[in-house]
Amino acid sequence: AQSVTQLGSHVSVSEGALVLLRCNYSSSVPPYLFWYVQYPNQGLQLLLKYTSAATLVKGINGFEAEFKKSETSFHLTKPSAHMSDAAEYFCAVSESSPRDDKIIFGKGTRLHILP
Amino acid sequence: GAVVSQHPSRVICKSGTSVKIECRSLDFQATTMFWYRQFPKQSLMLMATSNEGSKATYEQGVEKDKFLINHASLTLSTLTVTSAHPEDSSFYICSAPSSTEAFFGQGTRLTVV
Repeated sequence: AQSVTQLGSHVSVSEGALVLLRCNYSSSVPPYLFWYVQYPNQGLQLLLKYTSAATLVKGINGFEAEFKKSETSFHLTKPSAHMSDAAEYFCAVSESSPRDDKIIFGKGTRLHILP
Repeated sequence: GAVVSQHPSRVICKSGTSVKIECRSLDFQATTMFWYRQFPKQSLMLMATSNEGSKATYEQGVEKDKFLINHASLTLSTLTVTSAHPEDSSFYICSAPSSTEAFFGQGTRLTVV
């Protein structure tokens, strides 16, 4: 069965610094991979997704992630953090199209932005 | 992108009563929807898969008689928490998938007093 491990439940970076949120996955087949952001008491917003096309995926709000099969990783990055980036971030995996298979979420990483 | 509307966003109910949460896909048809539960400061745990026109599929450990799911149309799935107790207090989120991503509702904060 597929699974996701997010390293670090809390990450703090200074405003303007590089953001790096780590995600490793386990899947028996080529996966679909996602990063979602959640603000307090709200649903999830898709940042970006990997669906077997380009390995470097660009998303909204300046975020991007690189799929590395050899490392089974899908780390999320942003060159320069903004105060509005403070939120909870979830990495997720699906072994098939989301319409055909459930999405499994990691435990989440809370991103803190220091002024 | 596609929009999924979840209602209500917040509900407080008395212990022993039932609460219904609605999840609507506003601009696309969803033969499948998913219901998740999220405890404070934790991840989303899949509760069940809602299938239009057939019975829902529940994850292991989820009480199907307590969490009733109905998916009567291609745009609406409902989750009813029956005989709610304080331990059912949580954040419930639905999602409706397309072929490439899942769209999420805004979530429902349920508080049972």
